[in-house]
Amino acid sequence: AQKVTQAQTEISVVEKEDVTLDCVYETRDTTYYLFWYKQPPSGELVFLIRRNSFDEQNEISGRYSWNFQKSTSSFNFTITASQVVDSAVYFCALSPLRGGAQKLVFGQGTRLTINP
Amino acid sequence: DAGVIQSPRHEVTEMGQEVTLRCKPISGHDYLFWYRQTMMRGLELLIYFNNNVPIDDSGMPEDRFSAKMPNASFSTLKIQPSEPRDSAVYFCASSPGRSPLHFGNGTRLTVT
Repeated sequence: AQKVTQAQTEISVVEKEDVTLDCVYETRDTTYYLFWYKQPPSGELVFLIRRNSFDEQNEISGRYSWNFQKSTSSFNFTITASQVVDSAVYFCALSPLRGGAQKLVFGQGTRLTINP
Repeated sequence: DAGVIQSPRHEVTEMGQEVTLRCKPISGHDYLFWYRQTMMRGLELLIYFNNNVPIDDSGMPEDRFSAKMPNASFSTLKIQPSEPRDSAVYFCASSPGRSPLHFGNGTRLTVT
């Protein structure tokens, strides 16, 4: 069975602070994808990143960075110098690498509020 | 690229009524997914299609739910009869092969 746990239900920080969203996953698959999606107040789901289990290199995209550690089954997401526009619910997700379709299993989400 | 288009954005109906949610995937995407989002259960996969063929419907909650994809540019999710516990946001998503899913804006369904 696959499971994604986002232990932080809500996080509230002041603008310009750095914030890290935690994600821990469970899977019996040896190969898999990990994802982060953003759901802003408008409700749509926006794709942020996908990593495959072969690649444990950390990734940085502007103020966003992701730390994948297979040894601890974690895929954490850090926002540096947070901005009010970063306020959203963030979802971590997992899918097996096998097969053609990506059947995403989502965590419960972390609601991030950035206060001015 | 117009993205995945869902209609309606909001639907309010009475218990027992039939509800039909619609989705137009991104052109060229061969996979289509229906997800449901509720406070209690989060985001869960209901069914997905590949090249218009249903591949896995194990997430469909019960026989009241059905989904079709008559062609590559259109899919429906139908609930008949609807119940208050079906109230949720229903998302449609599409992808070309193994590429990341693109989600629509969702349909917020309220069953009273």
